Amino acid sequence: GEDVEQSLFLSVREGDSSVINCTYTDSSSTYLYWYKQEPGAGLQLLTYIFSNMDMKQDQRLTVLLNKKDKHLSLRIADTQTGDSAIYFCADANQAGTALIFGKGTTLSVSS
Amino acid sequence: NAGVTQTPKFQVLKTGQSMTLQCAQDMNHEYMSWYRQDPGMGLRLIHYSVGAGITDQGEVPNGYNVSRSTTEDFPLRLLSAAPSQTSVYFCASSSRAGDVLFFGSGTQLSVL
Repeated sequence: GEDVEQSLFLSVREGDSSVINCTYTDSSSTYLYWYKQEPGAGLQLLTYIFSNMDMKQDQRLTVLLNKKDKHLSLRIADTQTGDSAIYFCADANQAGTALIFGKGTTLSVSS
Repeated sequence: NAGVTQTPKFQVLKTGQSMTLQCAQDMNHEYMSWYRQDPGMGLRLIHYSVGAGITDQGEVPNGYNVSRSTTEDFPLRLLSAAPSQTSVYFCASSSRAGDVLFFGSGTQLSVL
């Protein structure tokens, strides 16, 4: 079935780069998404990439998409303590009726 | 801009009680959905709607009902609450299915 998988935890030091990885099974989506959830809050769109792109850069964020391997990654440069949150990747299901989310990667940033 | 508004933010129910979680959006979005978030399980889709009068089941629909009488509102009803329904519930909307979802701030529900 359709699935999106992520590693569950990542711990980095302030100032380092963070890389969060995601794999997905359905490859018919127009876009793939990264969402951020801070404690006690809903999910907010962080960035997204069009499925015919390999890379998208947005300030400290770099999204890489490898369609052949169905692999998506999010790199956060110069990670700050305010980046501590849960990060979800999301892909549309094959029917295009919903977004399927990974279980989320908890990023912990220590100073 | 209000975006997606969910009420209540917190709720405690006893087993067997019924209640309705409210969701409203002011972005004129056709698509609305309900997810539940549980530790270690990520977000799972309960029900969704592609427009007024149209609803369909998601991954975990049992024990929940929805209706969509207007574009703005998409309430989620728990008919007879069970402890397994203890969770955080998120409503989300988008201009159409598969597009960027905008989320409400969530309802934390405990069923005792």
